[in-house]
Amino acid sequence: GQSLEQPSEVTAVEGAIVQINCTYQTSGFYGLSWYQQHDGGAPTFLSYNALDGLEETGRFSSFLSRSDSYGYLLLQELQMKDSASYFCAALYNFNKFYFGSGTKLNVKP
Amino acid sequence: DGGITQSPKYLFRKEGQNVTLSCEQNLNHDAMYWYRQDPGQGLRLIYYSQIVNDFQKGDIAEGYSVSREKKESFPLTVTSAQKNPTAFYLCASSGTAASHEQYFGPGTRLTVT
Repeated sequence: GQSLEQPSEVTAVEGAIVQINCTYQTSGFYGLSWYQQHDGGAPTFLSYNALDGLEETGRFSSFLSRSDSYGYLLLQELQMKDSASYFCAALYNFNKFYFGSGTKLNVKP
Repeated sequence: DGGITQSPKYLFRKEGQNVTLSCEQNLNHDAMYWYRQDPGQGLRLIYYSQIVNDFQKGDIAEGYSVSREKKESFPLTVTSAQKNPTAFYLCASSGTAASHEQYFGPGTRLTVT
């Protein structure tokens, strides 16, 4: 299967901005999604990028650069409730998603 | 309310027994998926179905089986051939296989001893 690389853990303070990077393999790639998962819970969809550029949804933004096989999730004005794991997921061959191993975000007061 | 239900939330089985995990959706979605998640890891695709009466293997299908007889239902059977079945199992659905947003159920945590 395809492999996606993202950092295993990131720590930031409340009110700060944090960026979570994701690199992916290009063969068959269509787009990149981001999901949030709290401990013991189900992943919930945050955003999707099929084209290069920045997509903004409230405090969360997602960026894609197809030429660099790279994307990131940007979280602004961090809140304690943002402490969770964040997964990038790449859509391949228009029918299958591969997930990264997840980035655990710790938000400290 | 529309959504995906999985039952039970926790399941305990003895080694050597087959066990079936339930997944039901009322979102009228065509595509359904089963993922396995191990501690500190991402989601790995077990099986997926793009339409009723059709399904394909994912990356880790060995020791698992599925059926898709109805649009709403996609049960997963963990067989005794699965070497390490203890894990968190997540079912998801999307409008079509190419939809970029997947909706996940609450998951079933299976423990086999």
